[in-house]
Amino acid sequence: DTGVSQDPRHKITKRGQNVTFRCDPISEHNRLYWYRQTLGQGPEFLTYFQNEAQLEKSRLLSDRFSAERPKGSFSTLEIQRTEQGDSAMYLCASSSGTSGALYEQYFGPGTRLTVT
Amino acid sequence: AQSVTQLDSHVSVSEGTPVLLRCNYSSSYSPSLFWYVQHPNKGLQLLLKYTSAATLVKGINGFEAEFKKSETSFHLTKPSAHMSDAAEYFCVVSDKDTDKLIFGTGTRLQVFP
Repeated sequence: DTGVSQDPRHKITKRGQNVTFRCDPISEHNRLYWYRQTLGQGPEFLTYFQNEAQLEKSRLLSDRFSAERPKGSFSTLEIQRTEQGDSAMYLCASSSGTSGALYEQYFGPGTRLTVT
Repeated sequence: AQSVTQLDSHVSVSEGTPVLLRCNYSSSYSPSLFWYVQHPNKGLQLLLKYTSAATLVKGINGFEAEFKKSETSFHLTKPSAHMSDAAEYFCVVSDKDTDKLIFGTGTRLQVFP
């Protein structure tokens, strides 16, 4: 069990640039979640996938954000035309199971984004 | 809508003394509740979870929590704090359809020698 991995761990970008983050879930986990955590706050849900299907998107996810999970394996989160308000820790989590809250979500270490 | 409220943003205890981190929840149905811990520069780790079985839930590292429906509370306790317990703790409720987690604002636990 190698756990959930995220790449990169840190990203510094200039306002207006595009960035892409990658998440590799635990093998065979069919659910994958993205959360965002700003300083001093708890993580907030952004979106989630059941296999390759994106089933829910938070209102926090503006049109500049897009997420994909091709083939139901790894996922990418892209932010276009970054703004300073996008600076945050982006967390990925995965879980197995199709319903109910009996399945633990395992979190990756996060990608810390700083927009200058 | 479901939510959790962590009643203390900071808690300070001396090593060897009890820990109490308070959490109230709001849910229109029987909730699934969790406590997660986040150490600096480390990922979120599940401490324990309540899923409508026993109301007293035991977790890792000596932590436990009690689900009290009448008080809509899910407080986290530990009999004796250790220096390594210093971290940020999150009370969490999950959505029953999507399993998405709804986090509280966190409680920072400081442990003094």
